[in-house]
Amino acid sequence: EDKVVQSPLSLVVHEGDTVTLNCSYEVTNFRSLLWYKQEKKAPTFLFMLTSSGIEKKSGRLSSILDKKELFSILNITATQTGDSAVYLCAVLTGTASKLTFGTGTRLQVTL
Amino acid sequence: GAVVSQHPSRVICKSGTSVKIECRSLDFQATTMFWYRQFPKQSLMLMATSNEGSKATYEQGVEKDKFLINHASLTLSTLTVTSAHPEDSSFYICSAVPGQGFEETQYFGPGTRLLVL
Repeated sequence: EDKVVQSPLSLVVHEGDTVTLNCSYEVTNFRSLLWYKQEKKAPTFLFMLTSSGIEKKSGRLSSILDKKELFSILNITATQTGDSAVYLCAVLTGTASKLTFGTGTRLQVTL
Repeated sequence: GAVVSQHPSRVICKSGTSVKIECRSLDFQATTMFWYRQFPKQSLMLMATSNEGSKATYEQGVEKDKFLINHASLTLSTLTVTSAHPEDSSFYICSAVPGQGFEETQYFGPGTRLLVL
C-alpha cells in the first residue's frame, strides 16, 4: 500500500521565521511529488517535483526532492500570517495519475 | 489556467436521502476525474477514479453501490451519495486531468461540504 507521511503534524511560528516541512514516501511506480496549500477550500498547487536534487522556487517558498532517500522538504522563509494553512504533500503514481496524499502539516503563523 | 467547478458548494440533507454532486471541467476536456473525501482535520482520501465512458475504479473500502459515479461526458462527472447517513458528512473534492489522463497535473474543484442530519 502506498504511504506518504508528513511531519510535523502541526507547527506554530512567529511571523518572519523560516520553516521546513517534511514529506517521506513509500510507493510503487513513483512519477512525481507535489506540494499543495489548503486553506478553507480545495488544495491549491504549489510545486511538482520529478527529479532529485533540483530545487524549485516560487517567491519565499522552495522545495526539493531526494529520490534516493524518498523524501521532500518544503521551505518557507520570512513567514507571513497569510502562510497559515495546511500544507499537503502528495505522490503521483502509476499510469492512472493517482495521487496519494500525506497527512498534512498545519502551519500557524502568529504576529 | 484550467478551471474545475463543483455544484453544490454546500448541502444539508436528511438521513436516508440521496445527494448528487457535480464536477465540471470548464475550459478543458478530461477523460479522467478523481473523487476525494476529506474528514475534518484529516487529509484527502481518494475514493474513486472516474473514467469517461467506462465504469469507475473504486479504492479499497469504498462501497461502489453507495457512492455512484457517472462520467457521462468529457467535462462532467457526478458523484451520488445514496441513502446518506451522518457518517457520510464530509468535504467531497473532485479533480480533473486534462486530455487522456496521463498528464501529471490535477486541477481541483472547490469542494462540496455535505452535512447529513
